[in-house]
Amino acid sequence: KAGVTQTPRYLIKTRGQQVTLSCSPISGHRSVSWYQQTPGQGLQFLFEYFSETQRNKGNFPGRFSGRQFSNSRSEMNVSTLELGDSALYLCASSLVIAEEQFFGPGTRLTVL
Amino acid sequence: AQSVTQLGSHVSVSEGALVLLRCNYSSSVPPYLFWYVQYPNQGLQLLLKYTSAATLVKGINGFEAEFKKSETSFHLTKPSAHMSDAAEYFCAVSDHTGGGNKLTFGTGTQLKVEL
Repeated sequence: KAGVTQTPRYLIKTRGQQVTLSCSPISGHRSVSWYQQTPGQGLQFLFEYFSETQRNKGNFPGRFSGRQFSNSRSEMNVSTLELGDSALYLCASSLVIAEEQFFGPGTRLTVL
Repeated sequence: AQSVTQLGSHVSVSEGALVLLRCNYSSSVPPYLFWYVQYPNQGLQLLLKYTSAATLVKGINGFEAEFKKSETSFHLTKPSAHMSDAAEYFCAVSDHTGGGNKLTFGTGTQLKVEL
């Protein structure tokens, strides 16, 4: 069974631009979560979707948004990029709530 | 709020020696606990999980962890380190209350394995 896939793997943007990251969960998984990983802040929870509904949201500004489609694929969007948004963005999926999450390889975003 | 503390941001062991990575948690409800490993330029791989069943949990690659409620700990061990174990290890607690699936991670422990 294929794992969690994330596209693109690498992105370079400039300040003020916006970016969309994509995540395809493991087949059959309905929960998708997003995390940001930086050297300074570590791994931080962004948001979680289940059956197209956002169930949880982390402490991030409104520039960070996401959505989930009927096939469970998810996208996250960051508008008006700032230098501090440079990070590894990880997507994780799970079959149901409260089960282990399986992570994708991440999208490395660099903001110049 | 739930939290996780990992003692020691860097741990160095000799190949063949015992690996012990420490994790203490804080949770107002019975926790679900996880250990993940991250190799350079990769995502997180689940090593093992505790979800209120057996307190001694065995995972992949010879790792195991013991849940000790009295000590609020979930330390990760491996009897004999291998060079391939060099990576960063994260302990995490799940906020599954209210139907959520949010993971709160510790700051990570970088494991170095020396010859």
